[in-house]
Amino acid sequence: SQQGEEDPQALSIQEGENATMNCSYKTSINNLQWYRQNSGRGLVHLILIRSNEREKHSGRLRVTLDTSKKSSSLLITASRAADTASYFCATDGGTSYGKLTFGQGTILTVHP
Amino acid sequence: GAVVSQHPSRVICKSGTSVKIECRSLDFQATTMFWYRQFPKQSLMLMATSNEGSKATYEQGVEKDKFLINHASLTLSTLTVTSAHPEDSSFYICSARERSTGEYQPQHFGDGTRLSIL
Repeated sequence: SQQGEEDPQALSIQEGENATMNCSYKTSINNLQWYRQNSGRGLVHLILIRSNEREKHSGRLRVTLDTSKKSSSLLITASRAADTASYFCATDGGTSYGKLTFGQGTILTVHP
Repeated sequence: GAVVSQHPSRVICKSGTSVKIECRSLDFQATTMFWYRQFPKQSLMLMATSNEGSKATYEQGVEKDKFLINHASLTLSTLTVTSAHPEDSSFYICSARERSTGEYQPQHFGDGTRLSIL
C-alpha cells in the first residue's frame, strides 16, 4: 500500500519563484528519495537523503528530512518552465532489494 | 549514466490478446528489476520484484498468472499481460537496480509502456 502522502497535490507558480513540496510517511525508513516524472514518461532520480541526514543539496534542489515527524520537503529554487512535471517522494524501508514505496505526488506547473 | 530501455512505448490491441513488455538495462547489470503500474494522475503501484534467475515476488493483490514476469538475464526482464482485458489498460513502468558494491544504488526507470485494450 502507498504510505506516502504529499502536499500540495498540485502547485502552480511563476518562473523564478521557489517551489516547495512536502512528503509524509508512516514506517521507519533507510532512506528517502525524490523522483521527477514528465507527462507520459518514466521517472528520473533527483536526490536521495539517508535516514541519518537532515538536509541535502543538489544544484537548485534542497531536501530536508525530519525522521521524528516522518516528513520530508523538496525545495526547487529559481524555478523554470522546464521544471514543470510531477514530483514523487519514495521511501526505502531497508529491504535487501531496495523496494520503494511511492507517495501520491505533486503536480508542479511553472508558468513562463 | 544508467539507462533503462523499455519497449514497446505504446500498445493498442484487442481484448484477449497477450502482450509482452521488455525492460533492458543498457549499460549496467541489473540484479533486481521492478514492475509498476500507474493509473492517470496517480502514483506508482509496485506489482512485482524480480531477481535474475529466480521467481518474481508479487505484491498482494497482483495475479501472478495474469502478469507473467521473467528475468532471464542480468540485463533483461519481461512482463507478459496474458489475455488482456480493458481493465488491464494502464501505464506500466519498469525499473532496474544495479548490484551494490557498497554504495546505495537507486532504481533507474524505463520510459513506460502505455497499454490500451479495446
